[in-house]
This record gives sequence, structure tokens and C-alpha cells, in this order.
Amino acid sequence: GAGVSQTPSNKVTEKGKYVELRCDPISGHTALYWYRQSLGQGPEFLIYFQGTGAADDSGLPNDRFFAVRPEGSVSTLKIQRTERGDSAVYLCASSLRARGPYNEQFFGPGTRLTVL
Amino acid sequence: AQTVTQSQPEMSVQEAETVTLSCTYDTSESDYYLFWYKQPPSRQMILVIRQEAYKQQNATENRFSVNFQKAAKSFSLKISDSQLGDAAMYFCAYRSAEQAGNNRKLIWGLGTSLAVNP
Repeated sequence: GAGVSQTPSNKVTEKGKYVELRCDPISGHTALYWYRQSLGQGPEFLIYFQGTGAADDSGLPNDRFFAVRPEGSVSTLKIQRTERGDSAVYLCASSLRARGPYNEQFFGPGTRLTVL
Repeated sequence: AQTVTQSQPEMSVQEAETVTLSCTYDTSESDYYLFWYKQPPSRQMILVIRQEAYKQQNATENRFSVNFQKAAKSFSLKISDSQLGDAAMYFCAYRSAEQAGNNRKLIWGLGTSLAVNP
């Protein structure tokens, strides 16, 4: 595709429910990143994939959050037992490589998650 | 740990004028990247300009330029000939260089909301 896409654009759920957020990176990009942006804040890093493996998941806030990238392309961020504090915009980015001169991160439009 | 500080929550500029957005950062690393991103209401982060710390020359991209002061840990963005389309949130971000292991994440400031007045 032309850019990073994320679905859904908006997601409203109830406290305690399970949600999945999807990210389609730019074709050929090997690195994929998830960030969370709360209202009035800058993005916060969650997890980064190089290929299929999570190279750094130090930003995941707790074990309710999990992400996968089984074929090294599409990634899914999964949140169990959602809490109101999980409400935020979840941003996905991809880069051609994670290192070297082609490490620019291109961002998708984000998924706005609202937990009621 | 690295931190990024943007001390101007809001700024405004007249169309066609020049505005400077401030950013300071804290790090003990000697090699790193600095970025300015623009986030319009559509939420999509767009890279405006990047600076590699080992390069002394300030980066420039058309109407956008930076003033990188490594010793002072300062990285300001200057927007010349401001246009209505420049109105957005602007975020300063830091990233460690490759030799810092697997640390590829961007560390962000809180952002500056820029209004452009016609």
C-alpha cells in the first residue's frame, strides 16, 4: 500500500472487554512499532518488531497488552480486560529497516480506543 | 534515561511570518537522532525534519530548519513564511543511534500546538 494503515479508525468498547487493533505497514518495511498517545500527551513507545519477533517490548504497560506479527507484515495489538485508562490513540509506524539511513518511521493515522 | 522537553504548549504566528519552536533534551549518549514531527487533526504523524547528532550542520527542508546546539542539548525548529497548512501539533523526538543495542524507540516531548493566523 501507499502508507501505513490502521483498522479500525475508532473503537468503542466497555470496561473488561477484549480488543484487537490492526496495523498494515508499508510493503517491504521490516520494522514495525506501536505507540500509545493519551490526550494532550506525546506518544509513548509500546513495542517494536524486527521481522516476526518482538525486539523490544519494554513499553508494554502490563500483561494485558500483547502484540503479534506472525508473518513479518501485519501486526495486531491485543488488549485484554480493557480499563478506562487504556483509552488513547494507538499509533503504528513502520520503517524500511530499524537501523542505518533508512530508519525513518512512517506513521499510520492511529486507532482511537475509547473504553466506557 | 533520555527525556525530551517542549516548554511551549501553544504558539501562534501570522501567515508569512517566522516562528521558532523550542525543544531541549537530556541524554548521556554521544550519538543519536533528533526529529520534528507534525500532527494535524487527522492524527497522522508526518516527519518534518531530522538531525543526526554527529553532523554539525543544521538540517534544512525547504521552509523548515533547525538550530541544533549539541552542547546545550537544544533542538529548535524554525518555520519560515508560515502557511495556514502549517497549523498543527509539533512534536520533538529523540532516538538512540544504532550502536545502542535494540533501542529503536522514539522518545517524545509533549508537543507544541501551532496556530497560524491569516
